[in-house]
Amino acid sequence: SAVISQKPSRDICQRGTSLTIQCQVDSQVTMMFWYRQQPGQSLTLIATANQGSEATYESGFVIDKFPISRPNLTFSTLTVSNMSPEDSSIYLCSVVEDRESEQYFGPGTRLTVT
Amino acid sequence: KNEVEQSPQNLTAQEGEFITINCSYSVGISALHWLQQHPGGGIVSLFMLSSGKKKHGRLIATINIQEKHSSLHITASHPRDSAVYICAAPAYSGGGADGLTFGKGTHLIIQP
Repeated sequence: SAVISQKPSRDICQRGTSLTIQCQVDSQVTMMFWYRQQPGQSLTLIATANQGSEATYESGFVIDKFPISRPNLTFSTLTVSNMSPEDSSIYLCSVVEDRESEQYFGPGTRLTVT
Repeated sequence: KNEVEQSPQNLTAQEGEFITINCSYSVGISALHWLQQHPGGGIVSLFMLSSGKKKHGRLIATINIQEKHSSLHITASHPRDSAVYICAAPAYSGGGADGLTFGKGTHLIIQP
C-alpha cells in the first residue's frame, strides 16, 4: 500500500493568515483527495486534486479559499487561505493507487486558528 | 450525492462480546469502505467490499448491494479494538475511485 506523508503535522496560526499543507506519496497514484475533519465531526470531502489541471471542488468549498495544486502523480498541496477559527480542523489527504484499490489516508494536519 | 447513515453512534461493550455496526447508503455504489480511526486521528482502511463478505482476523464485513446496507462485525472483542469505526461510500454513484462521503462514525469502547 502507498505510504503517505503530510507536512506540517500540526500548526497554530493566526486568523487572516494562510497555511499550505503538503501531501507526498511514495509511489505514483491515480487519484488524490483532500478531506477536512472538524472537531467532533466525521470527514468531509473538500476536493479531488487533478494532476495538471484545476481541482474539482465539492459544494461549499471554493478555490479562492482552498487552492489546491497537484503538479505530478506523487505530490499535492492544499492551502487554507485567510483563516478563521472555523477553519480549525484536521486536514487529510488520501490516495487511490488504481480504480480497484482501497483508499489510503495520510496522517493528517491538525490546524488550530486563533 | 450519496448519504451514509451509521449506527450506533456510541457503543460500550465488555471484552469478548460480539460487536455489530450497521451502515446504510442512499445511492448505488461499486464498493463500500470501512475505516478505523484511533484517538491520534490516524485513519486505517479495514475493508473495501463490493459484494458478499470479507474477513480479516476477528473483523468481518458484509454488504447487501440490493438493500444498500453493510455491517461490520468484531468477534471476541478486545480493549485494543476501542476506536472510531467509520463507514464510507463513493460520494457519487459508481465511481470506484471517487472521493468518499462518510457516516458519522461509531465510537466503540471495549472494557476489560
